[in-house]
Amino acid sequence: QVTLKESGPVLVKPTETLTLTCTVSGFSLTNGRLGVSWIRQPPGKALEWLAHIFSNGEKSYSTSLKSRLTVSKDTSKSQVVLNMTNMDPVDTATYYCARIPAALAGTAYDYWGQGTLVTVSS
Amino acid sequence: SDEVTQPPSVSVSPGQTASITCSGDKLGDKYVCWYQQKPGQSPVLVIYQDTRRPSGIPERFSGSSSGNTATLTISGTQTMDEADYYCQAWKSSSDVVFGGGTKLTVL
Repeated sequence: QVTLKESGPVLVKPTETLTLTCTVSGFSLTNGRLGVSWIRQPPGKALEWLAHIFSNGEKSYSTSLKSRLTVSKDTSKSQVVLNMTNMDPVDTATYYCARIPAALAGTAYDYWGQGTLVTVSS
Repeated sequence: SDEVTQPPSVSVSPGQTASITCSGDKLGDKYVCWYQQKPGQSPVLVIYQDTRRPSGIPERFSGSSSGNTATLTISGTQTMDEADYYCQAWKSSSDVVFGGGTKLTVL
């Protein structure tokens, strides 16, 4: 059974760095051309792609947020980690991780985590 | 532009057909997929690679693509289909773009 679960702080202060962890099960982060993305959704607003990392280590970042984002993976722990620096109240959102399966490489996300709401406030 | 555009809202009567469009420059060169999101829930993939339906998704959901517009069609719409729908495409070999979402109201 494939699952993804996000974890991290529910509240961060402005200017702080956010670290979120996506723990996966039911598949390996080393399998073929499989990837995991981070996607966020401010309350009442649309989905926004942030970054992804593939099993071969290839990474990509949103152009508008590239300077603030770092994505990495620890295959031994089955975890993908997102760091976002200099948090601002406008970054308040539900943050999701989602899987890009090898069979759909480059086309769609077949499994999503439950999401974690991060609020940025002093 | 790498933006993709969806209508903010679509209304349909139960049993009728709902169509939601997604438009963007060179969208016809890319695969488009569609997600359904109900309040408080994570998105669910309903169509991928323009027209394919994942296992477990009802046959009333279908997708098509022509020129720079992709369309999600729900035939015989049910009240349980009321949700937000998002299209998604890959801008390049590595970047992802989502549409602004369409709120489907069934009444």
